[in-house]
Amino acid sequence: EIVLTQSPATLSLSPGERATLSCRASQSVSSYLAWYQQKPGQAPRLLIYDASNRATGIPARFSGSGSGTDFTLTISSLEPEDFAVYYCQQRSNWPPLTFGQGTRLEIK
Amino acid sequence: QVQLVESGGGVVQPGRSLRLSCAASGFTFSSYGMHWVRQAPGKGLEWVAVISFDGSNKYYADSVKGRFTISRDNPKNTLYLQMNSLRPEDTAVYYCAKELGVKWAAEYYFDHWGQGTLVTVSS
Repeated sequence: EIVLTQSPATLSLSPGERATLSCRASQSVSSYLAWYQQKPGQAPRLLIYDASNRATGIPARFSGSGSGTDFTLTISSLEPEDFAVYYCQQRSNWPPLTFGQGTRLEIK
Repeated sequence: QVQLVESGGGVVQPGRSLRLSCAASGFTFSSYGMHWVRQAPGKGLEWVAVISFDGSNKYYADSVKGRFTISRDNPKNTLYLQMNSLRPEDTAVYYCAKELGVKWAAEYYFDHWGQGTLVTVSS
């Protein structure tokens, strides 16, 4: 099973700042990695798939990069609605499909 | 627009069974694989099971293999999860999620999610 480790666990930033979230895989997942955003009481929302492809309707301030074992989700300029929990997910070697433990992005 | 509505959750005793349903609309249900993903209270996401668009292939997480069964009724646009021999560690919100890719071009990412249904396993 591929283990995904996200860092940091919590990130405290202010609106307008740049956010950089990390996801590291226990073995190579090529580019088969996605990012999701989850707000309290809501279902997750797909942001990025295949490491760098934005999903339909996702603003351009969200971008993904990386390949192999190291991946990054960048939010170029934080909007108030971006404060949430973010999860990465791999589909390279499955079953099982696996998720990281999440990064909480909170308002500073 | 795509809509997924789960139902069937509730409180159940350990060892008992429960069947979840997910009613789909707004897309051609029979063309997409479907998943169940769960989230224990205050915890992260855990993939549970997937079924292919035509129901011919099914895969499960080890934690539920042999106890849970995923199925679908394409004419009824409905996905199911039969959960047997429930354990307290199965307590979670269960989401159904639509596969990103169509038919044989499955991507194994989740592009639409339902609102979830809470299953609580407790005596």
